Amino acid sequence: AQSVTQPDIHITVSEGASLELRCNYSYGATPYLFWYVQSPGQGLQLLLKYFSGDTLVQGIKGFEAEFKRSQSSFNLRKPSVHWSDAAEYFCAVGAGRSSGSARQLTFGSGTQLTVLP
Amino acid sequence: IAGITQAPTSQILAAGRRMTLRCTQDMRHNAMYWYRQDLGLGLRLIHYSNTAGTTGKGEVPDGYSVSRANTDDFPLTLASAVPSQTSVYFCASSELGGPGDTQYFGPGTRLTVL
Repeated sequence: AQSVTQPDIHITVSEGASLELRCNYSYGATPYLFWYVQSPGQGLQLLLKYFSGDTLVQGIKGFEAEFKRSQSSFNLRKPSVHWSDAAEYFCAVGAGRSSGSARQLTFGSGTQLTVLP
Repeated sequence: IAGITQAPTSQILAAGRRMTLRCTQDMRHNAMYWYRQDLGLGLRLIHYSNTAGTTGKGEVPDGYSVSRANTDDFPLTLASAVPSQTSVYFCASSELGGPGDTQYFGPGTRLTVL
């Protein structure tokens, strides 16, 4: 079974600073990898996803993530954080299983981002 | 286009009571999901449906049931609520149900069981 670890529960950065949120996964084959963002009181919204090909993936809102197979990582980055980026960020891994089973996403526990003015 | 709607927005419920959380999507997606979100645990899948008329169990199905009578609706029922079911519940949908599909989430239902 797949698993996802987000080692940082809470990160605080100043507006305009760079950001990197860490994500490590465990899965036997090449996974489908996702980053979702959850603003306060809202549902989750997809930022970006990786299937195959170029290991650097561009997403919405200026975010990008890099898949590193050797490190089993899929870290999320943004060069300059805006106050509106304050939210909770979830990494997720999707893995296909036999038909009829749950081809589910497994989510990490999330990283809460605080942005200081 | 509304996407996914959930009702109620929040609910306080006495233990032992029956409760149905409603979820409707207007995207004609084949697959739908119910998750619960608990602090420090992320989202955990309760039940899913790959297509109308079929359902399956996720990671934490005990105490919950679902039905999928049509494409648009996917209600989640707690037959006899317990305090450990206090959580925020999210409904989601995806076009085909594959592992690479983007899932679209509703705004959530905050449920408190006393």
